[in-house]
Amino acid sequence: DTEVTQTPKHLVMGMTNKKSLKCEQHMGHRAMYWYKQKAKKPPELMFVYSYEKLSINESVPSRFSPECPNSSLLNLHLHALQPEDSALYLCASSQDPTFLRAFFGQGTRLTVV
Amino acid sequence: KNEVEQSPQNLTAQEGEFITINCSYSVGISALHWLQQHPGGGIVSLFMLSSGKKKHGRLIATINIQEKHSSLHITASHPRDSAVYICAVSRPGNTPLVFGKGTRLSVIA
Repeated sequence: DTEVTQTPKHLVMGMTNKKSLKCEQHMGHRAMYWYKQKAKKPPELMFVYSYEKLSINESVPSRFSPECPNSSLLNLHLHALQPEDSALYLCASSQDPTFLRAFFGQGTRLTVV
Repeated sequence: KNEVEQSPQNLTAQEGEFITINCSYSVGISALHWLQQHPGGGIVSLFMLSSGKKKHGRLIATINIQEKHSSLHITASHPRDSAVYICAVSRPGNTPLVFGKGTRLSVIA
């Protein structure tokens, strides 16, 4: 199993909603990442979890709250988002937090209305 | 100046053509990645290179460490190759990938 699975694939939410994005991998990877990608732009790193601990937070607003319940799961909790937060949210994982050989999920396309 | 530069930004080719996408970088790296992203979709890792050349099917990736340059070649291109191709570099230590802006490839039948 060399997949990173993200759910849901699409999400539309209002600015007052609370929702969560989920990411799962069963490759035994100990580093997991959240990226945000706007149209026609490269991905931007948001968070890195290394051995289930948050190791990098790229100055992401607190309306995005990551959680790593165990080594296979990574969540991104969303609350009070703005329309400009609409983007493709990509999860990735790698064997260790050196960013080598990262496997990416298919992404969740988020629309904030 | 971006640390990772790709060219061209956009590329349209006829089916069957040989395609080259270039990537230059200005930082020390531990590895260089070529990634593929289809419209609206996730990212697939095509190659990870630290030296030399790799081949997978119709795709060939080369890297010249001294010149800080890599190329991705697609032989006998096909419309299903239409995608954005992204060059990214891993720097030594636990530092995030640095992405190029991508090359948008359209292959026309």
